[in-house]
This record gives sequence, C-alpha cells and structure tokens, in this order.
Amino acid sequence: QSALTQPASVSGSPGQSITISCTGASTDIGTYDFVSWYQQHPGNAPKLVIYDVNERPSGISDRFSGSKSGNTASLTISGLQPADEAHYYCSSFASLDSLVVFGGGTKLTVL
Amino acid sequence: QVQPQQWGAGLLKPSETLSLTCGVYGGSSGGHSWSWVRQTPGKGLEWIGKVNSGGSDNSNPSLKSRVAMSLDTSKRRFSLKLSAVTAADTGLYYCGRVNDNSFYLDVWGIGTTVTVSS
Repeated sequence: QSALTQPASVSGSPGQSITISCTGASTDIGTYDFVSWYQQHPGNAPKLVIYDVNERPSGISDRFSGSKSGNTASLTISGLQPADEAHYYCSSFASLDSLVVFGGGTKLTVL
Repeated sequence: QVQPQQWGAGLLKPSETLSLTCGVYGGSSGGHSWSWVRQTPGKGLEWIGKVNSGGSDNSNPSLKSRVAMSLDTSKRRFSLKLSAVTAADTGLYYCGRVNDNSFYLDVWGIGTTVTVSS
C-alpha cells in the first residue's frame, strides 16, 4: 500500500483537460512544497514532469501544471495528446521517516 | 547531458545479496546526490535511499537494516547493496540524480530487473 493515494485511472479525449489527485498527510504534502510528478511510458523509466508542486523542468510542455491544497496535490494536463497516455506518479518528502514517498500511480488513457 | 548507466546481477537466490552499480557519464557527477528507487509489483515505486557527494547516505527505514550505499566520485560510480533478499525484493531497480533540497529525481537510469527465485 502506497503512502500517497492516487486514483487508479483517469481518461480524457484529445484536446480535453484532466486532473490527477494525490492525497497525503500533514507529515508530507500538507507541510512541504516538495511534491513532484513523474510520467512513465511502458518499458521506460519515470520522467520528471513537475517538481516543487508547480515547477516544470526544462523541455516539459506548459500543458503540464501542478497545484496543492492542504494534504492534496494535483497534476493537470491540458490539451490532451495521444502521447500523454502513460502512468503518472506523485511523490513527496515525508518528515515522519525523513524519506521520499510515492503514490500508487494513475493510468491516463487518451480516448 | 548526464546519463546514468546501471549494471549488476539480475538473478538471485533468497538470502543472497543484491549488488548494483550506477555509473554517471556525460556530465558532472560532482556536487550531486544520487538515489536508488525500485518498482515492485507489490509496492509500486519505493524509495530505497540516497547518498550525497560527501558519501553520507540516508535510506528507507523499512530497508535500512539491509541496505548499504556508497559513492566513488573518482570513478563516477555509486553502488547499492541489499542483503538477505527475498521474493519481495523482485522488481525493477533505478538509479537517479536527486535534488538535495526538494528530493525529486531529475535524471533516471534505464533500470535493472532483479529477480529473486530459488
């Protein structure tokens, strides 16, 4: 069982927007702005798409955005494209054990 | 562009020690911290730990008693050893560069599949 809770799956049509939630606790997301999101296509390593809640690494499209409210972080992908179909994982620093925790992952299907 | 390359034994018997190495090429390895993350069927992505440029490490409490990590900056390599493996340790092991302030991994290796089976 993962420390952070994500929906198992979400779906959307090309051009639409979707949001993936990631729920933690006061000892991780609720206290720290160290939330990151990773995209993983089958057979590939995870790829960083958001860090520090809402920052994008160089080369990541501005269609990807992040936010946080209380103990829940969110990843929004706008203007969905077929290439966005992948698994998405959230992550946060957790003070309870001074470690990094991950969500269980959300499979995004672009219909 | 930094590109980690991983190697190590992929098939182990229960109670053996997993040993993986990550070489950092194509850029500067100095002044960075490096991390191991695994992906298992039972737990999904799991943080194993990190080692900083000074050689100090910090590991997941659930694995701490079995984990040893080291960094050899002269050889641009960092290593993971996980002792007394069981079937639950079967999975895909990734090395990556971790940001010391925010704990995100911005560079990942391609992963090494480890199978524990008698």
